[in-house]
Amino acid sequence: GAVVSQHPSRVICKSGTSVKIECRSLDFQATTMFWYRQFPKQSLMLMATSNEGSKATYEQGVEKDKFLINHASLTLSTLTVTSAHPEDSSFYICSAGPEKLFFGSGTQLSVL
Amino acid sequence: GENVEQHPSTLSVQEGDSAVIKCTYSDSASNYFPWYKQELGKGPQLIIDIRSNVGEKKDQRIAVTLNKTAKHFSLHITETQPEDSAVYFCAVRVDQAGTALIFGKGTTLSVSS
Repeated sequence: GAVVSQHPSRVICKSGTSVKIECRSLDFQATTMFWYRQFPKQSLMLMATSNEGSKATYEQGVEKDKFLINHASLTLSTLTVTSAHPEDSSFYICSAGPEKLFFGSGTQLSVL
Repeated sequence: GENVEQHPSTLSVQEGDSAVIKCTYSDSASNYFPWYKQELGKGPQLIIDIRSNVGEKKDQRIAVTLNKTAKHFSLHITETQPEDSAVYFCAVRVDQAGTALIFGKGTTLSVSS
């Protein structure tokens, strides 16, 4: 299947700082990528749809000013959690695919 | 919007037994139904999928069946092994570019030897 690479795998930061997560498609071009959030023992919740060269589409209840998405190329989308707080601690996962959707390995964010 | 229900939430079987997980969905426009396996601390891994023009698909010990009229689909794992222990998620999608997957709540499968 297609390869989706996500970095970093784990990040610990202080409250109030910003964290950037990268999602790359390694062997295909992705005009669209998806960002999900997963709390412990829960399902994956769609946060936003990232579109290359245009603004992301956010799901209801997701603050676009807090979760900044940039999709500047056909192989890279970034999610920046701005002014992170402990309640933002979660597992963030990106997804993309030329036909079927594949997932990155996820980023565990811990905000102290 | 689409609503996906998945049952059971936990499933414990003995090695060698079969396991069945069922999902129902609400949007009749959904036409793509994948299943993902997620191990602790990792991203979901696609294990099998089916499109609405097919009623059943099999890949070795794993099969998926779809009843589009009743809006439900099921994952069947035969001859379970301890390494099958993981969380399994069903998902649905309207199969067109730019459309995201909507997930069920997941099933924790435990296979004991």
